[in-house]
Amino acid sequence: AQKITQTQPGMFVQEKEAVTLDCTYDTSDPSYGLFWYKQPSSGEMIFLIYQGSYDQQNATEGRYSLNFQKARKSANLVISASQLGDSAMYFCAMRAGDNAGNMLTFGGGTRLMVKP
Amino acid sequence: ETGVTQTPRHLVMGMTNKKSLKCEQHLGHNAMYWYKQSAKKPLELMFVYNFKEQTENNSVPSRFSPECPNSSHLFLHLHTLQPEDSALYLCASSQPDRQTFFGQGTRLTVV
Repeated sequence: AQKITQTQPGMFVQEKEAVTLDCTYDTSDPSYGLFWYKQPSSGEMIFLIYQGSYDQQNATEGRYSLNFQKARKSANLVISASQLGDSAMYFCAMRAGDNAGNMLTFGGGTRLMVKP
Repeated sequence: ETGVTQTPRHLVMGMTNKKSLKCEQHLGHNAMYWYKQSAKKPLELMFVYNFKEQTENNSVPSRFSPECPNSSHLFLHLHTLQPEDSALYLCASSQPDRQTFFGQGTRLTVV
C-alpha cells in the first residue's frame, strides 16, 4: 500500500519569499512517480511538477522545484518568489507500482497563504 | 482550461433524488477516473475506467453508479444519497505513465 503524508496543514509566506511544502511518502514499489498539484478555491486540481523515482536530478518547472531525497522518502515542493496568486491548497500525490492506469494516492494537503 | 470539463459545477439534491454528473475530455486519453474530496480528508479514488472498461471500484456504495459510454465521456449516476456524500467530485483523465489532468469538479450538497 502507498501512503503520502503532508504534515503542514497551513503555512504563511511573505510575498516574494521562497517557501517549502513538506511531503513524505511510503511505498514498497521500486518504481513510482511523485506529483504536486495546486487547488485554488475554484476546485480545479492544477498539475505543477513531477518526479520519477529513477530520475537523477530534481525536477524544476519555472518557480517550482522538487527537493527529492529518496533515502528519506521525501519530495518537498519549493516555490520561489511567492506571489499572491500562489495562495491555494497544495497536494502531494504518488503513483506507484504496475497498477492499472495512473491511480494516484494523495496526501491531506497544505493550505498556503501568501501575505502582501 | 485543462481539457477536462465537468458539469454541473454545483448541485444540490435531496436524498430521494436521482441526478448525474458528467465529465468530458477530448485529450485522447484512454483512462478516466472519479475522485471524491470530502472536507478534511484526502482525495479518495472511486472508480477507474481504462478503454471504457471499469478496472477499479474502490469499495464505493452502490448508490454511486458510474458509466463510461466511450473513451471521452464519463458519468456518475447518483441516487438515494446521504448527507455525508456531500463533497467535491473530481473527474480526471490520463494516458498510461503520463500526467493526470483534472476537471474543475462538481460541488455536491445533499440535503
